[in-house]
Amino acid sequence: AAGVIQSPRHLIKEKRETATLKCYPIPRHDTVYWYQQGPGQDPQFLISFYEKMQSDKGSIPDRFSAQQFSDYHSELNMSSLELGDSALYFCASRGTSGRSYQETQYFGPGTRLLVL
Amino acid sequence: AQSVAQPEDQVNVAEGNPLTVKCTYSVSGNPYLFWYVQYPNRGLQFLLKYITGDNLVKGSYGFEAEFNKSQTSFHLKKPSALVSDSALYFCAVRDMSRGSTLGRLYFGRGTQLTVWP
Repeated sequence: AAGVIQSPRHLIKEKRETATLKCYPIPRHDTVYWYQQGPGQDPQFLISFYEKMQSDKGSIPDRFSAQQFSDYHSELNMSSLELGDSALYFCASRGTSGRSYQETQYFGPGTRLLVL
Repeated sequence: AQSVAQPEDQVNVAEGNPLTVKCTYSVSGNPYLFWYVQYPNRGLQFLLKYITGDNLVKGSYGFEAEFNKSQTSFHLKKPSALVSDSALYFCAVRDMSRGSTLGRLYFGRGTQLTVWP
């Protein structure tokens, strides 16, 4: 079965640079969630989108922004990167409408970001 | 507010023995509970969930979890552990604070399971 796709899988950036992470949800999933997992930490919710609209916002820095496009893929844009942004960034998708409705969020493999 | 606690950072068990990974929760209203497993350098894989119904939930790879409302617990169990079960296990609860069906997940700190051959 198709899974959540994230790209790139690994990314190395310098401080103050920008980064864009991409997430392609499971087909027919309309809701996308972004989580950040620091070293040795549990995943922390950043932001979510439903039908291209922001549905919830967590501990996402103002330097970060995200959006969901008409094909339901999502991008997390990160600017003025700091050393503390080094983490594993997960995207999860879920079907929340009609016959695609389910309770479970399915996670992608993550993008490992290293800021030097 | 929703939260989960995993009281053990590490659980060690011999192969073939039963294993239990503990999770307790705090929610307002009925809990939606999940277990995920994370292998090194991999994403979070869904194991099982409790939404409603039977308190004993069966999931992937022979895992099961028991929902106990009076003890606010959702412990993960497996009758016979395998070395390949060694991984990081996360318990999670879905945010229902606003009655939203789109709620974020709140994760526990994770429990590292090591199964010795």
